[in-house]
Amino acid sequence: QSALTQPASVSGSPGQSITISCTGTSSDVGTYNSVSWYQQHPGKAPKVMIFDVSNRPSGVSNRFSGSKSGNTASLTISGLQAEDEADYYCSSYTTSSTRVFGTGTKVTVL
Amino acid sequence: EVQLVETGGGLIQPGGSLRLSCAGSGFSVSSNYMNWVRQAPGKGLEWVSLIYGGGSTFYADSVKGRFIISGDNSKNTIYLQMNTLRAEDTAVYYCVSDLAPHIWGQGTTVTVSS
Repeated sequence: QSALTQPASVSGSPGQSITISCTGTSSDVGTYNSVSWYQQHPGKAPKVMIFDVSNRPSGVSNRFSGSKSGNTASLTISGLQAEDEADYYCSSYTTSSTRVFGTGTKVTVL
Repeated sequence: EVQLVETGGGLIQPGGSLRLSCAGSGFSVSSNYMNWVRQAPGKGLEWVSLIYGGGSTFYADSVKGRFIISGDNSKNTIYLQMNTLRAEDTAVYYCVSDLAPHIWGQGTTVTVSS
């Protein structure tokens, strides 16, 4: 199972909106609405920001939103803040009953 | 408090075995889809294994035949038995719940080296 494809880096100024893409195949992202997004700060465990494509766990800011079209899922961060600077990973359930992660995106707040 | 706590990591020689534990509190791990995910030093996240429904188990090709995932409902704990360990298994191992409360443990470090 190949990793989902994410841009290596995305940057934006405070207050701006950025979007991170996550491209898979018809064997994962394209078939299941089981796409999640995770935020990881250096030296820390990842945190779930979005599950099932567009749902936020309790406590996650509504500045984070998710969507999906075909084989590509997206995470949008609006009103970018300094604390959003981190690594972000997507993941999807697959037709092999496994889970696959994305390659990871480093978000920089300029 | 809702949380997952992993234990059992350490330094082990190539070819050795280790068992990781993940204890849940505040929710039932047996009613959840529970995963092990690992992260090698400086690398991205890699899915390792999944258990749900009390006995359905799945593995990444990289660990199939060497790792075994299991659960103990009485202890609200899942395990990862890791055998025939290799240098490339060196990583922080996280326990993750796929359903609510959608949380990750703090991780436990496994180092395979002679």
